[in-house]
Amino acid sequence: ETGVTQSPTHLIKTRGQQVTLRCSSQSGHNTVSWYQQALGQGPQFIFQYYREEENGRGNFPPRFSGLQFPNYSSELNVNALELDDSALYLCASSQGQGTYEQYFGPGTRLTVT
Amino acid sequence: GNSVTQMEGPVTLSEEAFLTINCTYTATGYPSLFWYVQYPGEGLQLLLKATKADDKGSNKGFEATYRKETTSFHLEKGSVQVSDSAVYFCALSHRSNDYKLSFGAGTTVTVRA
Repeated sequence: ETGVTQSPTHLIKTRGQQVTLRCSSQSGHNTVSWYQQALGQGPQFIFQYYREEENGRGNFPPRFSGLQFPNYSSELNVNALELDDSALYLCASSQGQGTYEQYFGPGTRLTVT
Repeated sequence: GNSVTQMEGPVTLSEEAFLTINCTYTATGYPSLFWYVQYPGEGLQLLLKATKADDKGSNKGFEATYRKETTSFHLEKGSVQVSDSAVYFCALSHRSNDYKLSFGAGTTVTVRA
């Protein structure tokens, strides 16, 4: 069984640019959640997708957007990058909404200069 | 709102020492409580969980008991190993926020041989 995978592993962008991060969910999982983990802090919930629909959003501005595809993989898009967007972005998949256990990928390290 | 406060680190121990990481929470009702571990360069892994008061979660020699009266979920291990060096996160989920995970800031633990 393949776990949650994320790409790319690392990337460097310039302030004002746009970025797309990708996540492949674990087999059998239809729900994907995205988290931002700034250096030295705990992950902060960005949003969740369940069966291709956004299902809850944390305290992040609209320039953070996402998609979920029919195969339940997902993208996180960030427009107009700011220096404070530098962080580890974690994707987690689960079998559904609610109390199902979330399985995390290794993350994408984004550096904005 | 729902939140978690955990003991600040870093914590440095010798092998076979006793480890305690304090975690307290704020939430209405009865949240589910979790400990996640993040090894260097990896994503988060669920270490243990408890879903109701007085439950004890345990895994890999780690234990934590859900204490409603003190709103706490302290992590303990009786004899740590070098391989336990990692960052530990306390987290909660509750139906009031659609079961999204809310994390503490993390505690870095280093075990020396």
